Amino acid sequence: KQEVTQIPAALSVPEGENLVLNCSFTDSAIYNLQWFRQDPGKGLTSLLLIQSSQREQTSGRLNASLDKSSGRSTLYIAASQPGDSATYLCAVPTQGGSEKLVFGKGTKLTVNP
Amino acid sequence: GAVVSQHPSWVICKSGTSVKIECRSLDFQATTMFWYRQFPKQSLMLMATSNEGSKATYEQGVEKDKFLINHASLTLSTLTVTSAHPEDSSFYICSASPSWPVSDAFFGQGTRLTVV
Repeated sequence: KQEVTQIPAALSVPEGENLVLNCSFTDSAIYNLQWFRQDPGKGLTSLLLIQSSQREQTSGRLNASLDKSSGRSTLYIAASQPGDSATYLCAVPTQGGSEKLVFGKGTKLTVNP
Repeated sequence: GAVVSQHPSWVICKSGTSVKIECRSLDFQATTMFWYRQFPKQSLMLMATSNEGSKATYEQGVEKDKFLINHASLTLSTLTVTSAHPEDSSFYICSASPSWPVSDAFFGQGTRLTVV
């Protein structure tokens, strides 16, 4: 059974700092891995989708890496801003290319001005 | 990008009543939609898979008679929480993908259900 763990559970940084969020998964036979952002009481916004054949994906100040063999992914946020404050979730399909996702509990990020 | 709309965004209901939540794909058709539930400080947990034109598939431990799912068209799925109780209070969120398997999953805004 696939399990996803995210470390740390919460992170508080000053504005402008670069930071790394970690995600690990128990079953390395994944089809892809997705990072989401969730604002309080709101839905999820997809940030980055990494296919199993890829090692990283970049979007603006965000860079996500994937190491399937070790069951790990990282989300790197450069030059953090207060607007980046949110909970960041990573998720992988339950099996194969399934659309059903297994989520981590998330990392709650606070960027202080 | 693809848009999934969920309604209502929040609802308060009395214990014993039923509540219906709608999930719509606004600019694409989705033969499959997914319903998740999130308790405070917990992960989103998949409840069921909604299949257009057929019965929903429920995850282990989810009561199908309590959480009724209807996928009436290629753009609409509904989740009805029947005879709601305070322990059903949670954040419910749906998702859909415009294509498979290489596709982002798009999520609705979520519905905060509070049963009093």
